[in-house]
Amino acid sequence: GAGVSQSPSNKVTEKGKDVELRCDPISGHTALYWYRQRLGQGLEFLIYFQGNSAPDKSGLPSDRFSAERTGESVSTLTIQRTQQEDSAVYLCASSLEGRARWATQYFGPGTRLTVL
Amino acid sequence: QKEVEQDPGPLSVPEGAIVSLNCTYSNSAFQYFMWYRQYSRKGPELLMYTYSSGNKEDGRFTAQVDKSSKYISLFIRDSQPSDSATYLCAMSGGGAGSYQLTFGKGTKLSVIP
Repeated sequence: GAGVSQSPSNKVTEKGKDVELRCDPISGHTALYWYRQRLGQGLEFLIYFQGNSAPDKSGLPSDRFSAERTGESVSTLTIQRTQQEDSAVYLCASSLEGRARWATQYFGPGTRLTVL
Repeated sequence: QKEVEQDPGPLSVPEGAIVSLNCTYSNSAFQYFMWYRQYSRKGPELLMYTYSSGNKEDGRFTAQVDKSSKYISLFIRDSQPSDSATYLCAMSGGGAGSYQLTFGKGTKLSVIP
């Protein structure tokens, strides 16, 4: 079936503007994750959604970052008042639930965000 | 000390060589060990997944985990130019929060024809 999709693939914005990134997970995957990949750095965990439970937002770097998910479908990551240090590739992943299944996360192609 | 250390390379090998990629880690709670392959401007793709210590083989790829040394490896036999990519190791614990993967920075591999 279809993999994880993300849009837009590239986003260039001016400092101070808000941006919204979209993720469409694999159908049937109840777990959804957002990660950030800065140049030369490992992937940083941002947020985890599990079904209808409260999300784990512990990785969000500041209150300018927020994310929503409607049921077990699409998720959006919003960055308000963007700063140059927000420039990175934002990756979405999905998986089935459970400890072994959390280890097998499937990633989308990412959104490359550039803040001028 | 970072939780996961991975030599960024770059690593350049001739086609047909055996490639060895490695990560060390400090968190003894890690139970799940993964290797991802990431082509340029693409998302990471899961290659191998191992639970606890031991070896796992899949075609030309072999993953090894040595929990006593906190050391994991990925071997690629008969390397091909199409293996040229960045390889990321990732780990997670066995507890309630084990959905959070901790990644190495990745090793960039080039296989020269």
